[in-house]
Amino acid sequence: QKEVEQNSGPLSVPEGAIASLNCTYSDRGSQSFFWYRQYSGKSPELIMFIYSNGDKEDGRFTAQLNKASQYVSLLIRDSQPSDSATYLCVVRAGGSYIPTFGRGTSLIVHP
Amino acid sequence: SAVISQKPSRDICQRGTSLTIQCQVDSQVTMMFWYRQQPGQSLTLIATANQGSEATYESGFVIDKFPISRPNLTFSTLTVSNMSPEDSSIYLCSAVGGQSETQYFGPGTRLLVL
Repeated sequence: QKEVEQNSGPLSVPEGAIASLNCTYSDRGSQSFFWYRQYSGKSPELIMFIYSNGDKEDGRFTAQLNKASQYVSLLIRDSQPSDSATYLCVVRAGGSYIPTFGRGTSLIVHP
Repeated sequence: SAVISQKPSRDICQRGTSLTIQCQVDSQVTMMFWYRQQPGQSLTLIATANQGSEATYESGFVIDKFPISRPNLTFSTLTVSNMSPEDSSIYLCSAVGGQSETQYFGPGTRLLVL
């Protein structure tokens, strides 16, 4: 069974710090990796996707992928209180549109 | 990116009744899905909505309880039939599309069954 593991948190960081969110996955056939942010009572919104090993940066966000270790992470630089939300790690196998969702990590950025 | 709208956004229903949720995408998409999310839980896939044919249901979900239609590439409906309080949840429409084939979500329908 395909699994995506995330620490449920909450992860608490002070404003301006770097928040590091981690995710491991079990299916070695996974090809696509996504990070979504979900505010309470709202639907998930896409932050970033990454397909290749290494880092991918978009503004304050950096996604990191290590397929050998089956590990993907999301770094949020200069964290803001508005970043407080649940972050979902989502993994998709090659040739499939059906993703596997992690349970999400709750991030709290305190002023 | 795809913009997805759903209606109704929320509803309160009596047990034993049915509710149909509509999902409209602003562009043609490859795949459409229906999810359920209980408070504090992650998303659970109900089914893949297939254009012009029967939906593909995940384990634990059946067509009689959750009939789904997808008459074209941009529209789908999910019906929650013979509702019970256990059906109270947020129902999310989702679509995969675009060059990067990323997945987008509608705003959700918040359902409360009394």
